[in-house]
Amino acid sequence: NAGVTQTPKFQVLKTGQSMTLQCAQDMNHEYMSWYRQDPGMGLRLIHYSVGAGITDQGEVPNGYNVSRSTTEDFPLRLLSAAPSQTSVYFCASSITGPSGNTIYFGEGSWLTVV
Amino acid sequence: GENVEQHPSTLSVQEGDSAVIKCTYSDSASNYFPWYKQELGKRPQLIIDIRSNVGEKKDQRIAVTLNKTAKHFSLHITETQPEDSAVYFCAASRSALYAGGTSYGKLTFGQGTILTVHP
Repeated sequence: NAGVTQTPKFQVLKTGQSMTLQCAQDMNHEYMSWYRQDPGMGLRLIHYSVGAGITDQGEVPNGYNVSRSTTEDFPLRLLSAAPSQTSVYFCASSITGPSGNTIYFGEGSWLTVV
Repeated sequence: GENVEQHPSTLSVQEGDSAVIKCTYSDSASNYFPWYKQELGKRPQLIIDIRSNVGEKKDQRIAVTLNKTAKHFSLHITETQPEDSAVYFCAASRSALYAGGTSYGKLTFGQGTILTVHP
């Protein structure tokens, strides 16, 4: 049981490049989400999904796209990377949502945009 | 939307002392309040949580209290140890219904508290 798996762990991008952060979970969780973590600002919700084919915006969605074609996978796409997107990204999942259910985080992806 | 404020941003204590971290929230409908511990370079991990129908919850040296009227909740760590040193985050969530009646919610985090326990 791998839990929540994120790749890559580290990435350096040039401004304007695009990339996809991969996230997969093997716990059959309906709810998956992406957070970014910046110093002094805690974790902020980017996008989330309550099941295959259903996604919604979080607190800071601009510049990011998501899709949920399967229960297991929830990739995060940066369309045109900007230095402001330099951050640590965490994918997380839970059975039916964070209200009363334990959220399981991936190990994080460190992204630097130069 | 929900706004969660966390204080203090840094906290330094001597080993064996108690540590208290406080959070306030804005959405009176929030009903779930977890606390996460994050060690340097690691993922956040749940250490304790409380639901809005409970005023206090304890787990060994860790306790959380909730005051719904004042909309604030606190983490209490007693007999602190050096391995308690980490960043602690509070969070708040409310249930949101989607089609089919399934309950979900969005978790809003506080800004974090860097706790340092000196031997």
